[in-house]
Amino acid sequence: GENVEQHPSTLSVQEGDSAVIKCTYSDSASNYFPWYKQELGKRPQLIIDIRSNVGEKKDQRIAVTLNKTAKHFSLHITETQPEDSAVYFCAASINYQLIWGAGTKLIIKP
Amino acid sequence: DTAVSQTPKYLVTQMGNDKSIKCEQNLGHDTMYWYKQDSKKFLKIMFSYNNKELIINETVPNRFSPKSPDKAHLNLHINSLELGDSAVYFCASTTGRLKGETQYFGPGTRLLVL
Repeated sequence: GENVEQHPSTLSVQEGDSAVIKCTYSDSASNYFPWYKQELGKRPQLIIDIRSNVGEKKDQRIAVTLNKTAKHFSLHITETQPEDSAVYFCAASINYQLIWGAGTKLIIKP
Repeated sequence: DTAVSQTPKYLVTQMGNDKSIKCEQNLGHDTMYWYKQDSKKFLKIMFSYNNKELIINETVPNRFSPKSPDKAHLNLHINSLELGDSAVYFCASTTGRLKGETQYFGPGTRLLVL
């Protein structure tokens, strides 16, 4: 079955710097790759997603890239701000469900 | 105007008790899920229903029983609660089941078993 690996588990960056979180998936049939942000004590919320027919998608300071051949996709956050501190989850869609990565705790240092 | 709601928000109970968590979505979605998130933050899918039909049933103890009275509601009943059941339980819903669509999460139910 599908397996999603996410790295790193923790990422600490200086405010204003960029952050990159990477995920790999195993099933080439996966066709939808969302990223969710979960702030402390809150619910996971979608921040950006990409479908398998697109290589890159951008929304203000966040972007996602997808390499179908290598089966990996990445989240890029530029000009990080304190409110970017959260746990970020990647996921890959297969059949009826999302297969989730283990999460990355992003810490923004002032 | 909450899209996905859960009750209760907090649940503290003794080992051995039986408890229920309720979930409702007003988005008109066909598919609903229950997730368990433990202290390490990993999101583990437990069940999924599509139009009141069970479509995903992961390896979950049979003490956990979902029930979907209609496609807007998915409840979770837990019998004989154990310490290891302590976690945050999230309900989620989505419109599509095959193509892959956004999942909308409820606020979570924080269950503590003493």
